Amino acid sequence: DAGVIQSPRHEVTEMGQEVTLRCKPISGHDYLFWYRQTMMRGLELLIYFNNNVPIDDSGMPEDRFSAKMPNASFSTLKIQPSEPRDSAVYFCASSFNALNTEAFFGQGTRLTVV
Amino acid sequence: GQQLNQSPQSMFIQEGEDVSMNCTSSSIFNTWLWYKQDPGEGPVLLIALYKAGELTSNGRLTAQFGITRKDSFLNISASIPSDVGIYFCAGQLRSRTQGGSEKLVFGKGTKLTVNP
Repeated sequence: DAGVIQSPRHEVTEMGQEVTLRCKPISGHDYLFWYRQTMMRGLELLIYFNNNVPIDDSGMPEDRFSAKMPNASFSTLKIQPSEPRDSAVYFCASSFNALNTEAFFGQGTRLTVV
Repeated sequence: GQQLNQSPQSMFIQEGEDVSMNCTSSSIFNTWLWYKQDPGEGPVLLIALYKAGELTSNGRLTAQFGITRKDSFLNISASIPSDVGIYFCAGQLRSRTQGGSEKLVFGKGTKLTVNP
């Protein structure tokens, strides 16, 4: 397996624009996590899915953020409208099941909102 | 939210020296994980610990799950330049079957610099 695949690797957008980040988890993994990493706050969990169903979205900063997982091999994180304070590295991770919690991370998407 | 206190925040060492870093929490964890992140990359899992008191090695790395289940440490022996990076601890509070959540809580990281 190629691991968790995220796209794009880098995204620069203007304030107010919609941004969509994409993730393909490792095949067979039941859990998918979206994290945001900043210097100030470190790694923060935004939302996670189990079997394509959102389980906990308490980390989503506000209504401008939404995430979907239409099938087991694809998830999106959307920010609309984007703001400069959303600039961060966004990571997607997947893990096999609740007992094996070894999450494997993608390479991340570096988002810059100007 | 839950917090993991990871220390030290940064370390500057000479090649060949041993390194030790740790994480503590006020909460009990079922699982402790240690990750390493290289610049421009995602965190990569180094060691997973699932049992209180467990001591696990992976090459020059050794990690232990504290007996109180509220702490863990990571040791790196005979450091080399490629050990440079940010090391994160992560803990899982409990599994959903036990009435909790599977999500991981991460420490703020220890930035390691190794001078040749």
